[in-house]
Order: sequence, then C-alpha cells, then structure tokens
Amino acid sequence: DAGVTQSPTHLIKTRGQHVTLRCSPISGHKSVSWYQQVLGQGPQFIFQYYEKEERGRGNFPDRFSARQFPNYSSELNVNALLLGDSALYLCASSYQGGVEAFFGQGTRLTVV
Amino acid sequence: GIQVEQSPPDLILQEGANSTLRCNFSDSVNNLQWFHQNPWGQLINLFYIPSGTKQNGRLSATTVATERYSLLYISSSQTTDSGVYFCAVDMGGSQGNLIFGKGTKLSVKP
Repeated sequence: DAGVTQSPTHLIKTRGQHVTLRCSPISGHKSVSWYQQVLGQGPQFIFQYYEKEERGRGNFPDRFSARQFPNYSSELNVNALLLGDSALYLCASSYQGGVEAFFGQGTRLTVV
Repeated sequence: GIQVEQSPPDLILQEGANSTLRCNFSDSVNNLQWFHQNPWGQLINLFYIPSGTKQNGRLSATTVATERYSLLYISSSQTTDSGVYFCAVDMGGSQGNLIFGKGTKLSVKP
C-alpha cells in the first residue's frame, strides 16, 4: 500500500506569490493534518481535516487555508508569501483524529 | 497549552553504544508517538505508545502516563540511527493535532 504522498517535493516561490501544496492520505484514512517545520524546530500544527470538515486550526495567519476533497486528499494554500514561510510542510494522515498518524515526505518551500 | 520537553537536545555516540532519550509532557495525553526524522525530512514512525512498553528490534519505548514522561531506548547504535528523534503528544478530542518537542539530534560515529 502507498503511504502518504505529497507534491511537489520542492518548490521555490517569490515573495507575494501564492502556493498550493497537495497531499494524498493512506487509503482508508479520513483525517489529514498539515504541519510547518522551520529549521531546527519541531513541526507546528496548521490544520486538521476529517471527513472534509475543518476540525482544528493552529496559530497561523489567515493567509493559510486548506481543504479536503471527497477522496480525502487535501490541499494547503498559502497566499501573499513571506520569506518566513520558507519551511518544510508536512502532511499527516490517520484513520481519524487522535490515533496514530503517518507522515508524508514533505514539501520543502523556499520563498525568495 | 501543553508543553513537550525533550532531552538531551544533542547526543553524540560511538557506534555500538546504548542511549536513552527522554520526553516530558505537562498534561495528560491521549496519544504519544516517537518519530525519527531522516536527513531528507521524512518522519518515520517508531512507536505509538500512549502508555506501557513496546519493543521493536534494537529500539524500545516506555511511557509512564501518570508521571507524564516517555523514554526511548536505542541499543547497539548504528550510524544509520543518526538523525533527529521527536516525541509528539495529542491531548485527545476530535482535533487530533500532535504537539511536538524540539527533538534530540543524535549523531552516531563509526
């Protein structure tokens, strides 16, 4: 079975641009969460979606948004990119919230 | 909110040595996971261990939920064990968001 897949793996954007990151969960998993990891820190929670509804939101500005599709895949959107948005963005899937989570390989975003 | 503290922050070992990594958390948790982050950034699941003891090869973990800590043991370390080890907890409820510690960076020298 395929694990959690994220695309793209690397991305370079200019300040002020918009970016969309994609995540496909493990087959049968209905919950997808997004995390941001800056260099030297642990991942920080951004969003959790379960059954296509937002179930949790971390302390991130409104420039960050997400959605989950009927097939449980998910997109993370970031508008008006700042240099500080440069980070590794990780997607995690689980059968439901609060049980073991599995992570994708991440998307490394660089904002120049 | 809940605080997750990992120690030590850095650890250098000679190949073949044993080590213990610690994770303290400040409140009751529903879920605790240990991860190994490889040099490419992927988080590899090591243990899902909200309580009790588990073993997987050279690795084992113990969580004492009543005392709010978890330990990860690595025996006979290998160079491939190098990387950052994260502890992450979840307080339960429908959100299921993990709160991570800052990690322990392990370097195993040949």
